Amino acid sequence: DSGVTQTPKHLITATGQRVTLRCSPRSGDLSVYWYQQSLDQGLQFLIQYYNGEERAKGNILERFSAQQFPDLHSELNLSSLELGDSALYFCASSPSGTHTEAFFGQGTRLTVV
Amino acid sequence: EDQVTQSPEALRLQEGESSSLNCSYTVSGLRGLFWYRQDPGKGPEFLFTLYSAGEEKEKERLKATLTKKESFLHITAPKPEDSATYLCAVQDSAAGNKLTFGGGTRVLVKP
Repeated sequence: DSGVTQTPKHLITATGQRVTLRCSPRSGDLSVYWYQQSLDQGLQFLIQYYNGEERAKGNILERFSAQQFPDLHSELNLSSLELGDSALYFCASSPSGTHTEAFFGQGTRLTVV
Repeated sequence: EDQVTQSPEALRLQEGESSSLNCSYTVSGLRGLFWYRQDPGKGPEFLFTLYSAGEEKEKERLKATLTKKESFLHITAPKPEDSATYLCAVQDSAAGNKLTFGGGTRVLVKP
């Protein structure tokens, strides 16, 4: 157990819908990272928050947004969902602002039908 | 644009048969190169961070090395429990600390 909790574990939704994925980082970790993993694209970095502020941005679509709350948990919002958004979404956390020793959660498997 | 290419895509080893995985990269400003291990259905597990050419790090049967253009992950005398997908990623300080992953190398170690 990495100490990073993601909910829900599985999510099935229809095209055009909006979903929210939640991540609770390890105790004391200030950084939260979101990743998308699909069979054809591999693991892609989406966005990083550090102590509530956006720190780094990857290939995150405009239909996606994220935020980190004062209690340091984070949410990833995916809207106007398309079939191609079906993937595993991982959250990771680390004590500092770098990816060094980032611990990953078990992921949320999103299926868009 | 940053690029990370891992080879081979898949590797089948006999227990005890040492081998190396390659990660070739192109990045504007290397802030760090990361190695992760991922088991099926699970999140990646951090292994190493390398920051500059010539740096080496070891952990049990794994040793990671870094040059200006590539990194190697050496697996010495592997055991079946080393079977996993190994991912390499680079962080670009010239691109807002964006992280780019390679496609991974699937390693299967047979007893």
